[in-house]
Amino acid sequence: ETGVTQTPRHLVMGMTNKKSLKCEQHLGHNAMYWYKQSAKKPLELMFVYNFKEQTENNSVPSRFSPECPNSSHLFLHLHTLQPEDSALYLCASSQDPGRERSPLHFGNGTRLTVT
Amino acid sequence: KNQVEQSPQSLIILEGKNCTLQCNYTVSPFSNLRWYKQDTGRGPVSLTIMTFSENTKSNGRYTATLDADTKQSSLHITASQLSDSASYICVVSVYSSASKIIFGSGTRLSIRP
Repeated sequence: ETGVTQTPRHLVMGMTNKKSLKCEQHLGHNAMYWYKQSAKKPLELMFVYNFKEQTENNSVPSRFSPECPNSSHLFLHLHTLQPEDSALYLCASSQDPGRERSPLHFGNGTRLTVT
Repeated sequence: KNQVEQSPQSLIILEGKNCTLQCNYTVSPFSNLRWYKQDTGRGPVSLTIMTFSENTKSNGRYTATLDADTKQSSLHITASQLSDSASYICVVSVYSSASKIIFGSGTRLSIRP
């Protein structure tokens, strides 16, 4: 149990489908993040939420739509994805982005395959 | 451009042996450097953190070093175990930009019995 729970663990979807990824953190953190991890590439930051407010959108295509209803939950809504969007999507949380020594706590990710 | 480069890309060693992973960075202004371990099918987990004034940090059999002058870090694993098989990711934070975290591509370490 990592303290950050992601569901589903695996997802296969067609290019015309709509699906959502869910993330829940039980650590009392104030900030939540979505990252994309592709094979042999560094993690790519997608979105940052601090106290439920989106503070960063890293030029992510509009087919990815985040939602943060409260500090403990984070969603990533997906629609009309492309095969190159297939990757591991990681959710993370931290106590406070402004605290230098505050580590990121990651969930175990959702392995997404777009067919 | 802020970058973090890791070497080697992959490494295979025998159980019980030691190994050292390298990280070079061109991040400015520097805040801190972390090493994360990512097991297959899991999210990354923080192993160590070092700030500008710290040049060595240990966590069990893992010892990280930092040379802020040459902008290099290493992660040394002593007496490797099968459970050390994982990807090791070097992560550097930019000072005063909390969400500006630069990730390396990782080193894939495989321990053979």
